[in-house]
Amino acid sequence: RKEVEQDPGPFNVPEGATVAFNCTYSNSASQSFFWYRQDCRKEPKLLMSVYSSGNEDGRFTAQLNRASQYISLLIRDSKLSDSATYLCVVLEGGYQKVTFGTGTKLQVIP
Amino acid sequence: SQTIHQWPATLVQPVGSPLSLECTVEGTSNPNLYWYRQAAGRGLQLLFYSVGIGQISSEVPQNLSASRPQDRQFILSSKKLLLSDSGFYLCAWSAQYNEQFFGPGTRLTVL
Repeated sequence: RKEVEQDPGPFNVPEGATVAFNCTYSNSASQSFFWYRQDCRKEPKLLMSVYSSGNEDGRFTAQLNRASQYISLLIRDSKLSDSATYLCVVLEGGYQKVTFGTGTKLQVIP
Repeated sequence: SQTIHQWPATLVQPVGSPLSLECTVEGTSNPNLYWYRQAAGRGLQLLFYSVGIGQISSEVPQNLSASRPQDRQFILSSKKLLLSDSGFYLCAWSAQYNEQFFGPGTRLTVL
């Protein structure tokens, strides 16, 4: 089993739709979790951290489920500009163990 | 605010040639620094990380090396490039156990 797994997609959704991605991790001792966004041929950019209590930033909501060892990202009212690859990141015990998922590709269609 | 720079942005090198990619960070002290490689259509692979000057940890054995001659400078090198070294090289920094911030990357093509 991979340490961090994501459905590669692509997820093709119409504008205005709600879409959700999950990311599973294998190490129950993982401490910190993040979602990044990566546009084609660009560097990943931090989208949001994932807190135990869940957190929301505008149209984006991140959740952590420690019991089932997954994090999720919900995007409401999808915009064309949301089209990108979304990477989940898991930190275990500090900086020396950082694992990126391979990403989920989202394509928002007019 | 903090900024991270990488250069060059693109590079085309012949097999067997040397490589030197540079990354510098501004606006922070004693950052953790990272080198990643992303092959076409693939995920990010952590190559090296550094928690301080002269302190380098390697994640994957290969023909690449890294150095940190100054607090905010991180260099990725190779004596002889292989075709398999082609990819998108990303430098990142973080403050302790926090999220990482990436530079714009260097797209390397080895021919």
